[in-house]
Amino acid sequence: AQSVTQLDSQVPVFEEAPVELRCNYSSSVSVYLFWYVQYPNQGLQLLLKYLSGSTLVKGINGFEAEFNKSQTSFHLRKPSVHISDTAEYFCAVSDKASGGYNKLIFGAGTRLAVHP
Amino acid sequence: DAGVTQSPTHLIKTRGQQVTLRCSPKSGHDTVSWYQQALGQGPQFIFQYYEEEERQRGNFPDRFSGHQFPNYSSELNVNALLLGDSALYLCASSLEASGAIYNEQFFGPGTRLTVL
Repeated sequence: AQSVTQLDSQVPVFEEAPVELRCNYSSSVSVYLFWYVQYPNQGLQLLLKYLSGSTLVKGINGFEAEFNKSQTSFHLRKPSVHISDTAEYFCAVSDKASGGYNKLIFGAGTRLAVHP
Repeated sequence: DAGVTQSPTHLIKTRGQQVTLRCSPKSGHDTVSWYQQALGQGPQFIFQYYEEEERQRGNFPDRFSGHQFPNYSSELNVNALLLGDSALYLCASSLEASGAIYNEQFFGPGTRLTVL
């Protein structure tokens, strides 16, 4: 079965500094990969997704992620963070072998705390 | 265009009781998935409904059941509540479109269930 590991439970960073949130997934023939953000008392919002093609994916709010098949990683990056980026971030995978029914498997989350 | 809505926003129940949570999908969507997010964890897939049938299920006991109505809205029912059922329950909707390699899931704000 697929699994997702987010290597950092919390990441503190100063405003305008770069940040990387790490995500590894268990190997499979082919997967779709996602990053979601969750603000307090809200649902999940899709930041970006990798389905196929270019391994560098650009998303909303200046975030990007790189799919690395050999390392089974999908790390999220932002060159300069803002206070408003403070939130919980979830990496997720959907296994194409699940029949295309779009069942998402999430990691435990990384809390990004941006300090002034 | 209304997004995914869920009701109620908060709910408090006692052990052994039964609860029903409701979800209205985004306009035009026909598929509803339910996820459980325990405190400090990532969401876990419960099940997915399409054409009023449960077509995929995660690792949850039979106490968790659901229904989808002809208007595509959905209910999640949990019987014999346990303390461990306390969580944020998220509903996600998507559109089953032929030819699409992935149908993006849009999440609602969730229902916070507390079991005492």
